[in-house]
Amino acid sequence: ELKVEQNPLFLSMQEGKNYTIYCNYSTTSDRLYWYRQDPGKSLESLFVLLSNGAVKQEGRLMASLDTKARLSTLHITAAVHDLSATYFCAVVPNFGNEKLTFGTGTRLTIIP
Amino acid sequence: AAGVIQSPRHLIKEKRETATLKCYPIPRHDTVYWYQQGPGQDPQFLISFYEKMQSDKGSIPDRFSAQQFSDYHSELNMSSLELGDSALYFCASSLGRQPGAQYFGPGTRLLVL
Repeated sequence: ELKVEQNPLFLSMQEGKNYTIYCNYSTTSDRLYWYRQDPGKSLESLFVLLSNGAVKQEGRLMASLDTKARLSTLHITAAVHDLSATYFCAVVPNFGNEKLTFGTGTRLTIIP
Repeated sequence: AAGVIQSPRHLIKEKRETATLKCYPIPRHDTVYWYQQGPGQDPQFLISFYEKMQSDKGSIPDRFSAQQFSDYHSELNMSSLELGDSALYFCASSLGRQPGAQYFGPGTRLLVL
């Protein structure tokens, strides 16, 4: 069974600081996705990573994928309050069914 | 741009009642996915349909059933509701079986009392 783990589960950081969220998964996959969710809201797609070494950047967020290590990172640069949300990574395995398996989520709180 | 539509947005039911959630995918999208998200939890895949046929099945209880209709909208039917069914239910759609390219609807919040 595919397991997707994120750490940390909770992250409280000050504005202007940098931090990284980690996503580890347990099976062969080169399809990894990052989503943002505000409380009680839907899931917003942030990044689609489809190959080893893929790096995507949007504003203060940058995501990367290392398929050999089965690891993806979401790096936050100079955090601002608007980035406060829960961030999920999700994986589709290379073999087996075509469904997203989500990580445990990281609840990020940016403190002014 | 048109998005995924879910109805109702909020639903309150009592134990052992039934509920039907509806999902209208983005126009021309032929694949629909259903997820359940409990409080403070990650979304759990329930079931998906491609071209009106069930394509994948996840952790969907036997009390739940779903189908996709000829106009591609989908309905999730939930019977003998339990307290633990209280959750946010998301529908997502994509063009083709591309789970990573799916767009999520706003969700239906179900509360079972």
